[in-house]
Amino acid sequence: DAGVIQSPRHEVTEMGQEVTLRCKPISGHNSLFWYRQTMMRGLELLIYFNNNVPIDDSGMPEDRFSAKMPNASFSTLKIQPSEPRDSAVYFCASRPVGGRASDEQFFGPGTRLTVL
Amino acid sequence: AQSVTQLDSQVPVFEEAPVELRCNYSSSVSVYLFWYVQYPNQGLQLLLKYLSGSTLVKGINGFEAEFNKSQTSFHLRKPSVHISDTAEYFCAVSGLKAAGNKLTFGGGTRVLVKP
Repeated sequence: DAGVIQSPRHEVTEMGQEVTLRCKPISGHNSLFWYRQTMMRGLELLIYFNNNVPIDDSGMPEDRFSAKMPNASFSTLKIQPSEPRDSAVYFCASRPVGGRASDEQFFGPGTRLTVL
Repeated sequence: AQSVTQLDSQVPVFEEAPVELRCNYSSSVSVYLFWYVQYPNQGLQLLLKYLSGSTLVKGINGFEAEFNKSQTSFHLRKPSVHISDTAEYFCAVSGLKAAGNKLTFGGGTRVLVKP
């Protein structure tokens, strides 16, 4: 298996532009998580999905952020409009069918976003 | 709600020396405990986890961790580190019930192994 795939790996954009980050979870996994990692705040959970349905989006910082999971093999995290403080590494993770709290989460390599 | 505190943000250590990374957690319910490692420019990988039973858990790459319920701690140890262990290490907790199955991470401990 190729693991969790994220694209792009690096994104540089200007303030005010729309940014879309993409994630393909491991085949057969039905839980998907979006995290943000910054020096100041560490690793934060933004939102997670079970069976393509958003379960908890309490970590989404504001209305500029939105996430979708149209099917079991694809998810997007969109920032519109982007701001310099959104600069961070964004990770996607997935978990096997069953969704047990004891199960490992499998992380993608991350997207490093820089907003100028 | 849960919280995790990693007491050391950075730990320099010489090659072949032992290392201990400290983790304390707070929770009103029983939890599962995890240690993840992040190598430079990579995503996180699971090192080990504590679910129940023996309080000493062995993981990959020679790491082990001990769960101490009375002290609400889950410290990670390795008796002899290699240069390749240079990475950032994250302690995490998860509630037992399905509704609480998201991970809460600590701030991370950056380990720098020196030759």
